[in-house]
Amino acid sequence: DGGITQSPKYLFRKEGQNVTLSCEQNLNHDAMYWYRQDPGQGLRLIYYSQIVNDFQKGDIAEGYSVSREKKESFPLTVTSAQKNPTAFYLCASKIGPDNYGYTFGSGTRLTVV
Amino acid sequence: AQKVTQAQTEISVVEKEDVTLDCVYETRDTTYYLFWYKQPPSGELVFLIRRNSFDEQNEISGRYSWNFQKSTSSFNFTITASQVVDSAVYFCALSEGGGKLIFGQGTELSVKP
Repeated sequence: DGGITQSPKYLFRKEGQNVTLSCEQNLNHDAMYWYRQDPGQGLRLIYYSQIVNDFQKGDIAEGYSVSREKKESFPLTVTSAQKNPTAFYLCASKIGPDNYGYTFGSGTRLTVV
Repeated sequence: AQKVTQAQTEISVVEKEDVTLDCVYETRDTTYYLFWYKQPPSGELVFLIRRNSFDEQNEISGRYSWNFQKSTSSFNFTITASQVVDSAVYFCALSEGGGKLIFGQGTELSVKP
């Protein structure tokens, strides 16, 4: 079945460590997105990529980095520069330029202790 | 700037009551899409509906209905005869020209038996 796989579902890290969240899709979608969700704040865009080897900052990119070396994969690294990394992270993808057909992964809940 | 506002943070109803979730948006684009998503406690986003800016027809799907009014920049969502399984966080979202989804803060709906 086609879809987006985010792993792991739960992730614990010590403060000051970098951590990479995985996002893989087998939908042949061109665009991929990373969102962060905090309680009561909805989803905020971190980074997005519309084609391979290209990506743009979203609204809250500070302290995060991404890569898009393959169409299927869009990993997100939460660096030690991110001041408050504990959150729920959702990955999404979309085919082509049309503004419909978004697919979301099941999310990764990151807790920094 | 594009913005989505869901003024209702939490709503609590008793089963079989009707409930309306409000969504107001701001955009300068003439072509845009509006979405509603449901987020159950498990965390994944479930797509409910998409509406483009040129289609102001209201839509009904089973117990769900949507009222899109460009004149008031609103895209409200009504659940008729609510059920306990409707308990979730509901997000309204706007898709702008670059393909990014802009989310409202979400409305947490609690349906009590």
